[in-house]
Amino acid sequence: DIQMTQSPSSLSASVGDRVTITCQANQDISNYLNWYQQKPGKAPKLLIYDAFNLETGVPSRFSGSGSGTDFTFTISNLQPEDIATYYCQQYDNLPPFTFGPGTKVDIK
Amino acid sequence: EVQLVESGGGLVQPGGSLRLSCSASGFTFSSYDIHWVRQATGKGLEWVSTIGTAGDTYYSASVKGRFTISREKAKNSLYLQMNNLRAGDTAVYYCARELGAGGGYDYWGQGTLVTVSS
Repeated sequence: DIQMTQSPSSLSASVGDRVTITCQANQDISNYLNWYQQKPGKAPKLLIYDAFNLETGVPSRFSGSGSGTDFTFTISNLQPEDIATYYCQQYDNLPPFTFGPGTKVDIK
Repeated sequence: EVQLVESGGGLVQPGGSLRLSCSASGFTFSSYDIHWVRQATGKGLEWVSTIGTAGDTYYSASVKGRFTISREKAKNSLYLQMNNLRAGDTAVYYCARELGAGGGYDYWGQGTLVTVSS
């Protein structure tokens, strides 16, 4: 099975900061990588699919990049409403469609 | 408006069974792969099972042989039959629609809590 790691596990940043989260797969997954945002008590929300495609309605301050085994998720201008946990997920070929362990983002 | 609504969660003893339902509306249910994802309290997301448009099914290693996913197209409903439940199955269970072509899950239900405890 494909394993996913994320770093950091948590971060604290100021409003307006640029925030970067990395996700790594233990084998090549091409661009089959999604990013989700989850706020406490809520279902996850899809932000980025296919590594870099912004889901409809998602603000452009969110972006994704990468391919193969290394991926990056960026919030270019952190806003208070971005406080959440962010997960990557791979969907290469067959299941299991593994999620990363998550990165909790807080405001400093 | 696309909606997914889970139901059927509750408290069950170890070794017991439970059937979760996911009622879909606002889209052509039969045209999408649908997934179950669970989340234990304070933990991360775990993919559980998928049913494809052709009825193909997939399971995580932790539930294979105990859980069965199915769909009833006439009722726009998805089910997860969970047997021989263990304490480790305690979690909020979400159903989610796949965007398409193996993409992300663009719509999620609100989740239903399953608690396995004596």
